[in-house]
Amino acid sequence: AQKVTQAQTEISVVEKEDVTLDCVYETRDTTYYLFWYKQPPSGELVFLIRRNSFDEQNEISGRYSWNFQKSTSSFNFTITASQVVDSAVYFCALSEADSGGSNYKLTFGKGTLLTVNP
Amino acid sequence: DAGVIQSPRHEVTEMGQEVTLRCKPISGHDYLFWYRQTMMRGLELLIYFNNNVPIDDSGMPEDRFSAKMPNASFSTLKIQPSEPRDSAVYFCASSLAQSVSTDTQYFGPGTRLTVL
Repeated sequence: AQKVTQAQTEISVVEKEDVTLDCVYETRDTTYYLFWYKQPPSGELVFLIRRNSFDEQNEISGRYSWNFQKSTSSFNFTITASQVVDSAVYFCALSEADSGGSNYKLTFGKGTLLTVNP
Repeated sequence: DAGVIQSPRHEVTEMGQEVTLRCKPISGHDYLFWYRQTMMRGLELLIYFNNNVPIDDSGMPEDRFSAKMPNASFSTLKIQPSEPRDSAVYFCASSLAQSVSTDTQYFGPGTRLTVL
């Protein structure tokens, strides 16, 4: 079985604060992929990042950074100097291999609602 | 390039009616996915296709749901008959097949379905 846990249901911060969204996963696959998606109030799902299980390097993209640690099965997402436009629901997702060995089946966490107040 | 296109964006229907949701994937993408999002269950994968062939439909809730992909640029998700508990946002996503395992799924804007 596979599971993605985003323990923080809601987070509220004031603009310019740093905020970390947690994601913990469980899988028996040796090859897997982790994703973060953003769902702003308009409702669409926006891809943010993909990381494979063999690449534990942290990644930074502007104010966004991701910390992947296999030892703790975590893939946390940090927003530095948050802005009101960052307000959204953020989803962590894990891919699962199908019977053919391809990792196309995504399992999503429940999401974390981030509210950034001015 | 256009992203994934879904229609209609909103659908309100009465219980018992047939509902058809439509999706046009990103041109050149080999995989197409249908998801459902509800408050209770979050985002769930319903079915996905590779090169127009259904690969995994284990997430389809029951026989009232069916999905087809008659060609590489069009897919439908049909609910017949619809029930109030089918009310949700339905997302379509597509991705490009890679020689190794997986690629990123890009999502459409979703169809918000309300069954009265």
